[in-house]
Amino acid sequence: AQSVTQLDSQVPVFEEAPVELRCNYSSSVSVYLFWYVQYPNQGLQLLLKYLSGSTLVKSINGFEAEFNKSQTSFHLRKPSVHISDTAEYFCAVSERGGGNKLTFGTGTQLKVEL
Amino acid sequence: NAGVMQNPRHLVRRRGQEARLRCSPMKGHSHVYWYRQLPEEGLKFMVYLQKENIIDESGMPKERFSAEFPKEGPSILRIQQVVRGDSAAYFCASSLYRGEMNTEAFFGQGTRLTVV
Repeated sequence: AQSVTQLDSQVPVFEEAPVELRCNYSSSVSVYLFWYVQYPNQGLQLLLKYLSGSTLVKSINGFEAEFNKSQTSFHLRKPSVHISDTAEYFCAVSERGGGNKLTFGTGTQLKVEL
Repeated sequence: NAGVMQNPRHLVRRRGQEARLRCSPMKGHSHVYWYRQLPEEGLKFMVYLQKENIIDESGMPKERFSAEFPKEGPSILRIQQVVRGDSAAYFCASSLYRGEMNTEAFFGQGTRLTVV
């Protein structure tokens, strides 16, 4: 079984400031790692994923996350946030070879202020 | 190529009624997953289905909840005799699956069930 911990339920940040959303996971087997974003009253959209290879993965809108196996972490970062980044961010894992059954963290609400 | 379609978007039911939630996966996807999101919580896995088969229902409540994904038509999540605690957003996701290599799960916009 897997579990995902997102310690920060809310992260307020000013526009153009950097941000880090923390994610730690626990699993007895190898996993894939994901970050999803949810805008109000919308479904989840995949932001980025780590399957294999380079431990640093990037999205098209400036977010990046680094898989750290020794610390079992997959923190999400952006060097300069925009108002439009305000949303809920969910970290998730799935077991390798286990299909797309995802275990989610409880989410982090990112609020970008002027 | 339309995304994952869920309907209705909003559903209000009185206690004791039945709720039927529908999910049409993306074209070509034969794997469907249902998740429930309670207020202020993350998504919790409920059930994983392929066409005409339930693969994993470890997250489904033992009573009142059932799911199907027939050969033709959408996947249905059915909740009988709803109670207030069933009020939540229910999300469906679909994917391809190619053995060891995982592929992206695409989510629908969800059905928000309110039990009054």
